[in-house]
Formats: sequence, C-alpha cells, structure tokens
Amino acid sequence: GAGVSQSPSNKVTEKGKDVELRCDPISGHTALYWYRQSLGQGLEFLIYFQGNSAPDKSGLPSDRFSAERTGGSVSTLTIQRTQQEDSAVYLCASSSGLAGGLVKNIQYFGAGTRLSVL
Amino acid sequence: GENVEQHPSTLSVQEGDSAVIKCTYSDSASNYFPWYKQELGKGPQLIIDIRSNVGEKKDQRIAVTLNKTAKHFSLHITETQPEDSAVYFCAAGSYNTDKLIFGTGTRLQVFP
Repeated sequence: GAGVSQSPSNKVTEKGKDVELRCDPISGHTALYWYRQSLGQGLEFLIYFQGNSAPDKSGLPSDRFSAERTGGSVSTLTIQRTQQEDSAVYLCASSSGLAGGLVKNIQYFGAGTRLSVL
Repeated sequence: GENVEQHPSTLSVQEGDSAVIKCTYSDSASNYFPWYKQELGKGPQLIIDIRSNVGEKKDQRIAVTLNKTAKHFSLHITETQPEDSAVYFCAAGSYNTDKLIFGTGTRLQVFP
C-alpha cells in the first residue's frame, strides 16, 4: 500500500482480555517500530524490528507485551491480560532502514490503534 | 542513556506571529534531527529535517537550526496559521541505527 496501515483503528476490550494490534508497513521497508502514546503524552518507544536481526525490545513495559514480525513484513503487537493503564494509542512506523552511509532514517507512521480497556 | 528534551510543552500564538520550539539532545553521536507534526487523530508526519553538516535549513515558513556544539536544535515557524495547530515532536538519530529518540512534544495552538 501507499502508507503504513494499522488495524483496527479502534479497539475496546475488557480488563483481563488479550488484544492483538496489526501493522502493515510500507512495502520494502525493513525497519518497523511500535510506539505507545497515552492521552496528551509523547511517543513511548516499545519495540523495533530491523530485517532479520533480533528485535530491540528494550521499551516493552512488561512481559504482558510482545510483538512479532512475520516474513519481514506485517507485525502484530499483542497485549495479554490487558489493564486499564494500557489504554492508549498504539502507533506503528516503518522506515527504509540502513543502506550504508548517511541515510535518512525517515519514519512513516500509521494512524494508530486507539485501545480502550474498560 | 540517550535523551531528547523539548520545550515548551504548550505554546499559544496569535495568527501571523512566529513560534519557536527548542530541543536538546545528549548523544554526541547524533547527526540527524527530524521534526514531526501530529494532527488530531493522525500519526506524526515528517515536516523538515536537518543533518549535522549544516547549521540551518528552510522550507517556506518553517526552518530548523542546529548548534552541534551546544547540542541544541530548534524549529521556527513564521507567519503562523490556524492549520499549524498540532503537536510537534523533535527527534535525534545517528547513521548507525534506524532508531530515533523523540522529544516529549509541543502542543502548538494558533489563534485566529
């Protein structure tokens, strides 16, 4: 597609349920990022995939959060046993990745998934 | 660890006035400094960026300045318009990683 696509755009769930959020990056982009944005707050880095390298999970807030990237393309962010404090907008971004030398690390963002945990 | 500080957190200006948002970074290896604009209900979008080999870059009403010695960079918006109202994020990155470290954001309101 032309841009980064995220689904669903909105998700309402009950406390304790598991949720899966999907991200389709721009075709050919090797780098993919997940961020969390709580109401009125900044971008909290969660996880970063680059090609076939081991993902950088340093931003995941707890072991209830995990993410996969299958075939180097689509990514799924899973939140298990959701809590009310997980309510936020989850943003996905992709970039073309390093090509050697001075490469612009432009990240292209999707519109996000707004998660509400009741 | 790497850190980017951004000020102010909110900024209100009259239409036609200028707006300035400032950021500082901690990692001396940073050499790429983009600015993103996030409109309500949308993801952030790149509006301008600058590399460490230049001190200033302009694109119509927006400009970015960089002081590598002081580790400061700033976004300048002139002749502000109501459609400039949004949240603006600065970020810092380096050539050996795709990751960007984002500032905490500035909510800009332009009043007509």
